Amino acid sequence: GQQLNQSPQSMFIQEGEDVSMNCTSSSIFNTWLWYKQDPGEGPVLLIALYKAGELTSNGRLTAQFGITRKDSFLNISASIPSDVGIYFCAGITGNQFYFGTGTSLTVIP
Amino acid sequence: GAVVSQHPSRVICKSGTSVKIECRSLDFQATTMFWYRQFPKKSLMLMATSNEGSKATYEQGVEKDKFLINHASLTLSTLTVTSAHPEDSSFYICSATWLVNEQFFGPGTRLTVL
Repeated sequence: GQQLNQSPQSMFIQEGEDVSMNCTSSSIFNTWLWYKQDPGEGPVLLIALYKAGELTSNGRLTAQFGITRKDSFLNISASIPSDVGIYFCAGITGNQFYFGTGTSLTVIP
Repeated sequence: GAVVSQHPSRVICKSGTSVKIECRSLDFQATTMFWYRQFPKKSLMLMATSNEGSKATYEQGVEKDKFLINHASLTLSTLTVTSAHPEDSSFYICSATWLVNEQFFGPGTRLTVL
């Protein structure tokens, strides 16, 4: 199915730095989701957003549902080594579920 | 949160044999289950969508006779890779959802076909 555009594709950062990544689409979505996938594991849901403009936090993670409903952002503050993994956004519209292309995060101790 | 299990986590088989992978939603009833395939460092590629009691809907390019999906109950879906070949080696992940909502993923199954 359709995939959402995520950027950046990969990031290499120092431990303690903040991280920002985003997900964009030409279509409007009703729900935005952010997942993290560790190597060899299935994706785990981090944050779910249900309303345009909504800002939701989960520990050091903060995600926002864009006002235009065509994008979403994920921020990670004060990164730590266990933040390493691939982060996927996902959007739901109607009865369709679309995945982002993924952002690979590497945290250098 | 919702828990989805997959079994087996790893399987190695000979070329030409069939392999069955189970996906179970442990603490909720899943109206829909999805099967994905993932290549190294790539995003998840949707293979098929299955609703309990009905035939699975396959994505374009996915052979339904090769990847047999059965969704016998609201908590169990199975994917059978028939007559497996080395090119079928991959990481297979299932997910489950209640209505059209967040998908909860299983831990994945690593299939290696020799």
